[in-house]
Amino acid sequence: EVQLVESGGGLVQPGGSLRLSCAVSGFTFSNYWMHWVRQAPGKGLVWVSRIKTDGSNTNYADSVKGRFTISRDNAENTLYLQMNSLRAEDTAVYYCARDRVSGSGSMDVWGKGTTVTVSS
Amino acid sequence: QSALTQPASVSGSPGQSITISCTGTSSDVGGYNYVSWFQQHPGKAPKLMIYEVSNRPSGVSDRFSGSKSDNTASLTISGLQADDEADYYCSSYTGRTVNTVVFGGGTKLTVL
Repeated sequence: EVQLVESGGGLVQPGGSLRLSCAVSGFTFSNYWMHWVRQAPGKGLVWVSRIKTDGSNTNYADSVKGRFTISRDNAENTLYLQMNSLRAEDTAVYYCARDRVSGSGSMDVWGKGTTVTVSS
Repeated sequence: QSALTQPASVSGSPGQSITISCTGTSSDVGGYNYVSWFQQHPGKAPKLMIYEVSNRPSGVSDRFSGSKSDNTASLTISGLQADDEADYYCSSYTGRTVNTVVFGGGTKLTVL
């Protein structure tokens, strides 16, 4: 079964850091571009970042560029999102998603999400 | 403010058809055939319904169809069913190094 499972969310103070993980199974992880997408409470989906199959190309939303870093470990079938200098507006459910078409945004498999709350 | 513009809400009766629009620019929707549509029920993860403007993933009902004209993409749902009631989001590839993918603000579909 194809599966993505996020972890690492929690409560963090403004200015703090968190690292999210996304463990994948059921498919050849190294063949797919991957994304992080977030959703603030009661709000819509917002694209955060994407990473190429071998990690050699990454892109970010302007709202997180310079603060967040996406990475992957193909040997461990895991996607990461390192989040630094967190702000209240980063509070959201964070989803990892697989892209079926070379990073174009055709996200065909999603995890259930992990919740990040930034508050003092 | 979202990069792509969708109506906040649409509604229809069971059996009817509805269309949700997604308006962007020549730099995103109009410039690439990489428009996707996602369905999200409350408290659930999004589900891909359409990719590359008009392609349906395996397992998605053929009641769902997508199209594009210039800078506006559309999702049409025919034969509305109660379970279609959900939020729908469009997305588009932009080709930019920042904000490489953008979403619409979402449309709440109510089945009357």
